[in-house]
Amino acid sequence: EAQVTQNPRYLITVTGKKLTVTCSQNMNHEYMSWYRQDPGLGLRQIYYSMNVEVTDKGDVPEGYKVSRKEKRNFPLILESPSPNQTSLYFCASSSMGNSYNEQFFGPGTRLTVL
Amino acid sequence: QKEVEQNSGPLSVPEGAIASLNCTYSDRGSQSFFWYRQYSGKSPELIMFIYSNGDKEDGRFTAQLNKASQYVSLLIRDSQPSDSATYLCAVNDNTDKLIFGTGTRLQVFP
Repeated sequence: EAQVTQNPRYLITVTGKKLTVTCSQNMNHEYMSWYRQDPGLGLRQIYYSMNVEVTDKGDVPEGYKVSRKEKRNFPLILESPSPNQTSLYFCASSSMGNSYNEQFFGPGTRLTVL
Repeated sequence: QKEVEQNSGPLSVPEGAIASLNCTYSDRGSQSFFWYRQYSGKSPELIMFIYSNGDKEDGRFTAQLNKASQYVSLLIRDSQPSDSATYLCAVNDNTDKLIFGTGTRLQVFP
């Protein structure tokens, strides 16, 4: 089954404790993105990657890091989480470069930073 | 700052009616336009995309694009209670970024 998986699905942590949210896709997609979704602000792109070892900042990259060492994986790293990073996070992938017309989203990770 | 604007709703329509969802965008260079549906507690799901001015139909869904007015809409014919969800408009200007609106909540009542 074609899918994007994220882990963990729920996470409660404390300020300053480094964490990683994993994302994996099995569709051989070149393009992957991370978004956060907040009430009243909608979905905002954090980082994206057009292919292995190619990453770039989206609209809200501050406080986040990513890496793309393999095509299928695109982990999101919070080196020192803060309460304003409490949000719902989605990973997504697509096959068509920057056209987005086949973008699949993962199930989401709900992060709470105390 | 590129913006995508949607009325947050809720938009309430009776079953069987046409639901009309609207979206405006600020960047005249925008090239690709997308509609996503998001059920409560779920991830967004792509339902339509449109690149050219005019209408694009897919089943009960029609996307309409007017680049001169910087306006894109989604019509849902014969609305069903199962269409009740938040509809997200997203715009890409052929850079690698995708900008989303905040979504319109649609309620279809029996």
